[in-house]
Amino acid sequence: LAKTTQPISMDSYEGQEVNITCSHNNIATNDYITWYQQFPSQGPRFIIQGYKTKVTNEVASLFIPADRKSSTLSLPRVSLSDTAVYYCLVGALRGANNLFFGTGTRLTVIP
Amino acid sequence: DAGITQSPRYKITETGRQVTLMCHQTWSHSYMFWYRQDLGHGLRLIYYSAAADITDKGEVPDGYVVSRSKTENFPLTLESATRSQTSVYFCASSEYSGSYEQYFGPGTRLTVT
Repeated sequence: LAKTTQPISMDSYEGQEVNITCSHNNIATNDYITWYQQFPSQGPRFIIQGYKTKVTNEVASLFIPADRKSSTLSLPRVSLSDTAVYYCLVGALRGANNLFFGTGTRLTVIP
Repeated sequence: DAGITQSPRYKITETGRQVTLMCHQTWSHSYMFWYRQDLGHGLRLIYYSAAADITDKGEVPDGYVVSRSKTENFPLTLESATRSQTSVYFCASSEYSGSYEQYFGPGTRLTVT
């Protein structure tokens, strides 16, 4: 299963757009890209999932270039409550269970 | 209430003791997972289960035992706890597989003295 590489940490001011990039050079044809958010003392929470191009929901957007070797999670106008750890995972929808969460990206939003 | 619950939320035990962490979900999801989270290692998969009576190892299974006699329950047992098993343990469930949305429980903080 493909592993991912993300920046360890990022800082952003409130109201700014934040882009977190994830590298997954060994992504397979059937793999999807999934992002989770984890607040302190809580379990991770699913944010968004995509296969190619762009996916948008009420929380975030996910940009995936044509070669799919990386992806970017975009959080519009972050607030202090977006301070969390963000994880990028890749895996096929069917049969992929041993997914690699890694250490994620710790986003700190500054007032 | 629907959801996924874990018990206990906090546990202190001594080295060598057996301890069981419980996980219960009310959605009838087929897949269930156990993770541990440690500083510097992130979230690592211990075991997962695709259905009742079907379990498989994850990244760090040594020292742990799981069972799944009912779809809704997935207990994790440390047969002889060690200090290196001090961690926060998260249980999760998913309807189809690990790549589909996983719903995580609140976690169990285990300290082995």
